[in-house]
Amino acid sequence: KQEVTQIPAALSVPEGENLVLNCSFTDSAIYNLQWFRQDPGKGLTSLLLIQSSQREQTSGRLNASLDKSSGRSTLYIAASQPGDSATYLCAVDASNDYKLSFGAGTTVTVRA
Amino acid sequence: DTAVSQTPKYLVTQMGNDKSIKCEQNLGHDTMYWYKQDSKKFLKIMFSYNNKELIINETVPNRFSPKSPDKAHLNLHINSLELGDSAVYFCASSPKLQSYGYTFGSGTRLTVV
Repeated sequence: KQEVTQIPAALSVPEGENLVLNCSFTDSAIYNLQWFRQDPGKGLTSLLLIQSSQREQTSGRLNASLDKSSGRSTLYIAASQPGDSATYLCAVDASNDYKLSFGAGTTVTVRA
Repeated sequence: DTAVSQTPKYLVTQMGNDKSIKCEQNLGHDTMYWYKQDSKKFLKIMFSYNNKELIINETVPNRFSPKSPDKAHLNLHINSLELGDSAVYFCASSPKLQSYGYTFGSGTRLTVV
């Protein structure tokens, strides 16, 4: 059974600082890994999707890396802004499983 | 033009009632899902359907019954609602069963009183 852990559970930084969010998973046989953002009381917005054959994906200020063999992914957000305040969820699509397994999320607060 | 739309957005109902949540996707995806987000914000799979066929039923009480009339729609019917059913229910879709990424709806907040 795939277990996904996100560290830290919460993070508060001043505006402009870079953010580093960590995700680890127990079964390295994954199909892909997806990072989502969830604002309070809202749905999930997909940020980045990394296929198992890829090492990283980038979109604007966001960069996600994937090390499948060690079961880790890291989401980097450069030059954080107050609008980046949200909960960030890591989700793994296992190769032998037709569902996403989610971490509990990292709640980010960017102080102006 | 919402890709995955759920109705209603909010649902407040009394214990023992029966209610339904509807989901529609206009992405042409083959696979649809129901996820439950509990009070601790943890998301867990409930059901998945691929081309109207049930693929996953993740030890959900049989008071919950999904129905997929076609591959663009996946509805969730809940009988005899209990306090513990209060949660946010998310519908999602993906292009294929072994996905190329998931798209989520905005969620239905169910409160049982």
